[in-house]
Amino acid sequence: GDQVEQSPSALSLHEGTGSALRCNFTTTMRAVQWFRKNSRGSLINLFYLASGTKENGRLKSAFDSKERYSTLHIRDAQLEDSGTYFCAATTSSGQKLVFGQGTILKVYL
Amino acid sequence: GPKVLQIPSHQIIDMGQMVTLNCDPVSNHLYFYWYKQILGQQMEFLVNFYNGKVMEKSKLFKDQFSVERPDGSYFTLKIQPTALEDSAVYFCASSQMGQGADTQYFGPGTRLLVL
Repeated sequence: GDQVEQSPSALSLHEGTGSALRCNFTTTMRAVQWFRKNSRGSLINLFYLASGTKENGRLKSAFDSKERYSTLHIRDAQLEDSGTYFCAATTSSGQKLVFGQGTILKVYL
Repeated sequence: GPKVLQIPSHQIIDMGQMVTLNCDPVSNHLYFYWYKQILGQQMEFLVNFYNGKVMEKSKLFKDQFSVERPDGSYFTLKIQPTALEDSAVYFCASSQMGQGADTQYFGPGTRLLVL
């Protein structure tokens, strides 16, 4: 079935450094969304991509439907970037999002 | 950005009772969704609703579940009767377009505890 494998499950970054999160899909997906969960548990939209790449500040995301993956790059990490990040992909039926397991990011001084 | 509201934020009920979870979607959105997240597990799709009809539902959307949006008011998820395994956080989402052509915006969730 449609599945999303997100990695890593946890990530620690020194302030000012960067890294990437990745989601692999078992089937062809139509689009991908990236979220950050805030302290109250709400999902904050970071990106929606149907193809290609998008950049917003220190975040950049890419989605390759054919190769079945998406990435979220964080550069110059700040303390306030700490939190849980999720990818979610729209299935070929177009009716639902399938979520990854999440990445717990901790940025330290 | 666009905001989806959910009422109540928390609900505790006894097994067998009925519960209605309310969602106030983004005002010009036409597609509505419910997702369920059991503590410690992944968020999972329940149902997609458009133009007064269920478009797709998952196996988690049991016969005891129903959704409606009467007269453009709240989009609701009703569970009748509730079971212990219904305890979870329920997230509502909405989008302007369907078929994955648009961003889904999520509410903050309703934490349901069935005793």
